[in-house]
Amino acid sequence: QSALTQPPSASGSPGQSVTISCAGTSSDVGGYNYVSWYQQHPGKAPKLMIYEVSKRPSGVPDRFSGSKSGNTASLTVSGLQTEDEADYYCSSYAGSNNLVFGGGTKLTVL
Amino acid sequence: EVQLVESGGGLVQPGGSLRLSCAASGFTFSSYWMHWVRQAPGKGLVWVSRINSDGSSTSYADSVKGRFTISRDNAKNTLYLQMNSLRAEDTAVYYCAKGGSRVADYWGQGTLVTVSS
Repeated sequence: QSALTQPPSASGSPGQSVTISCAGTSSDVGGYNYVSWYQQHPGKAPKLMIYEVSKRPSGVPDRFSGSKSGNTASLTVSGLQTEDEADYYCSSYAGSNNLVFGGGTKLTVL
Repeated sequence: EVQLVESGGGLVQPGGSLRLSCAASGFTFSSYWMHWVRQAPGKGLVWVSRINSDGSSTSYADSVKGRFTISRDNAKNTLYLQMNSLRAEDTAVYYCAKGGSRVADYWGQGTLVTVSS
């Protein structure tokens, strides 16, 4: 049950696009199409932004998109807005009904 | 409106026990799997445990296996986490979340557990 690997930080200017990676193994990210992404503002609960690699829950702007290639998943935020500044976490199904999270990426909007 | 409200956190000595509760409303609690996820101060999210919709199946992270027990009372719309043999490294905000076996789609605001002498 090793954590997924995310870069500790990412940044972009308003209006730009930024991509956050999430590296796992064939036992989690690469083995299942069950990657999720969560947004967490300071002191707040995490919010689901992407599930099943690329699906968006109702109410999540289409500026947020997800993809996967092999053992690495990615979250892309297009048209960055100041309110997108937050911590982002990936998670993946890891078999045996267990989940595993990434270490988190702090997104700064410059 | 979906609501998940955790309670039961607090200060406990190493080796002690604590039971967390998560009161659910605004959805059909008995139809959803539920999860506990924790976050140590200044650190990332770590999955702790999950239980299926009728309570017949549970699983745990290796770090808490044998010490924590997840359960639910569908008649009371409440999820529980019994935590025994607590260690300093269990100090964290504990979130309950609803979802399926492969995603946690809505989270409560969390309850802080501090293990210290």
